[in-house]
Amino acid sequence: DAKTTQPPSMDCAEGRAANLPCNHSTISGNEYVYWYRQIHSQGPQYIIHGLKNNETNEMASLIITEDRKSSTLILPHATLRDTAVYYCTLISNFGNEKLTFGTGTRLTIIP
Amino acid sequence: EAGVVQSPRYKIIEKKQPVAFWCNPISGHNTLYWYLQNLGQGPELLIRYENEEAVDDSQLPKDRFSAERLKGVDSTLKIQPAELGDSAVYLCASSWGRGSDTQYFGPGTRLTVL
Repeated sequence: DAKTTQPPSMDCAEGRAANLPCNHSTISGNEYVYWYRQIHSQGPQYIIHGLKNNETNEMASLIITEDRKSSTLILPHATLRDTAVYYCTLISNFGNEKLTFGTGTRLTIIP
Repeated sequence: EAGVVQSPRYKIIEKKQPVAFWCNPISGHNTLYWYLQNLGQGPELLIRYENEEAVDDSQLPKDRFSAERLKGVDSTLKIQPAELGDSAVYLCASSWGRGSDTQYFGPGTRLTVL
């Protein structure tokens, strides 16, 4: 059973910020939030992860709510190459846990 | 630095035939994963290795699927005999350690069983 809930699809205009939400209301204290994306016919690509604090890297920003029950992935200036399925997943840092992918959000960047 | 390498990228076989997929993880990564991805679904873990030991194979259909990672580096996943329902993408991933260490995925092998 997927422990995260994401909208099945979203559109975003090219050049605008894409904000992808994820609910993980049953997250436990030792679980990290990971985001991957999968472009057609490729393997999942790691984007970013976090535990409690907001995180930013060259690809995206991750905003995690204070109660950790939801998060938002932000692509600051979306391009056509950002069209992909985006997966929000949880994994424990105590081992013996596996990435459990749901069906993700299909993000389409509109020219 | 090379990423996770998988071969072949595509494979078409007839049902009841055997098939094998190969994966070479990122150099230095101790943990290796095989995932199955059906059309329109997210990847599902089949087996996880820590070095040469299979530490989680609970989702591997052991009647027809087998895997090995003899020297703790590259790995092979085999299906014998293949069934129509095995048509899917088989993904390999690796990570430096266990648990929450970031997993990096290969491009996958798309299997079509006719």
